[in-house]
Amino acid sequence: SQQGEEDPQALSIQEGENATMNCSYKTSINNLQWYRQNSGRGLVHLILIRSNEREKHSGRLRVTLDTSKKSSSLLITASRAADTASYFCATDRSAGNKLTFGGGTRVLVKP
Amino acid sequence: SAVISQKPSRDICQRGTSLTIQCQVDSQVTMMFWYRQQPGQSLTLIATANQGSEATYESGFVIDKFPISRPNLTFSTLTVSNMSPEDSSIYLCSVYTPTEAFFGQGTRLTVV
Repeated sequence: SQQGEEDPQALSIQEGENATMNCSYKTSINNLQWYRQNSGRGLVHLILIRSNEREKHSGRLRVTLDTSKKSSSLLITASRAADTASYFCATDRSAGNKLTFGGGTRVLVKP
Repeated sequence: SAVISQKPSRDICQRGTSLTIQCQVDSQVTMMFWYRQQPGQSLTLIATANQGSEATYESGFVIDKFPISRPNLTFSTLTVSNMSPEDSSIYLCSVYTPTEAFFGQGTRLTVV
């Protein structure tokens, strides 16, 4: 069963704008990860944030985690057309056992 | 890191038939995971495949419908049995390190 919910379900922005998507989850976690999926293909890992971290950066990506609210956000800055994809959060409750995926956000970046 | 080769990449099958999906990993791994992604939906874990033991199925998935083999530490198969149109989905295999999951490219199955 899905651990988390993501919002918005879909997002349409112009190239150069920022894209923000949110993920909420239900149980305690060891870490939370974000993945990208292009056109129904395999998922690609973007970034991991541990339960004792509050913010993490990787290139144009910024992830925050609020364990008290059981929520996370992914910010993509200065978006590009190539960022068009579906983005999923995934939670790991026990460090390497298995992942539970959120519902996903479909992002369309218009050139 | 891990590279996963999954095949077939897509197939169109008649209802009532079965399809076996194969995944080959370029390194030895203890656990392999099989997911289903229904159209427009997120990933749902079907089962965890361990070498040398029976697969562990998630709630709502049964071995008779989704038999899994795991003959060695680099290979696994998932069979979708007695297919119906409701089985039309993308099926993905995955391996997971403590910090990152790696996925095959997926099998897009259409049942007609």
